[in-house]
Amino acid sequence: DTAVSQTPKYLVTQMGNDKSIKCEQNLGHDTMYWYKQDSKKFLKIMFSYNNKELIINETVPNRFSPKSPDKAHLNLHINSLELGDSAVYFCASSQPGLAAANEQFFGPGTRLTVL
Amino acid sequence: KQEVTQIPAALSVPEGENLVLNCSFTDSAIYNLQWFRQDPGKGLTSLLLIQSSQREQTSGRLNASLDKSSGRSTLYIAASQPGDSATYLCAVTGGNMLTFGGGTRLMVKP
Repeated sequence: DTAVSQTPKYLVTQMGNDKSIKCEQNLGHDTMYWYKQDSKKFLKIMFSYNNKELIINETVPNRFSPKSPDKAHLNLHINSLELGDSAVYFCASSQPGLAAANEQFFGPGTRLTVL
Repeated sequence: KQEVTQIPAALSVPEGENLVLNCSFTDSAIYNLQWFRQDPGKGLTSLLLIQSSQREQTSGRLNASLDKSSGRSTLYIAASQPGDSATYLCAVTGGNMLTFGGGTRLMVKP
């Protein structure tokens, strides 16, 4: 069983388009995250949601809009895509309060290429 | 603002060697520290998590230590194998978010 899944795995699109990446976790976690890994392989947090509510927004442009329809899903919608948005986007989840609190589990990543 | 640094950035060793990867962080007010492995084109696999109150964690040939006061962690890999070749990422949790280091690319040669 896949714990954290993302779709699509690869996404190639033109500049200016709008696209979405979906994330689902079946771990029963309350907290979900989006991370961006740039061309230099540096991972940086973008958003964090706890129980469908935004708790962290790390100065991400408002072209990026996360949406959490329920606590098992955190989707990322990107408007007016730019070349600099090309990266690998990772979704993750964690459950505060467990013995290994805040251990984060990552999805396989979505490689976004903007042409 | 938390900053995490990993040294070395890349490491190449012959099979069978014991090796140490280093991680340092600037703000000692962390909740825990995680070591991850990332294979090329793949996601992140959690290797070890050390709570802020712990000094070390072990899993098989891996041992991770944490010295919170000095802002350092090490990942020790015993008897390295070609299958250990990957990028190893250190990340600290504080304020409900993970801050990652730049990673160490490890190549273990047969």
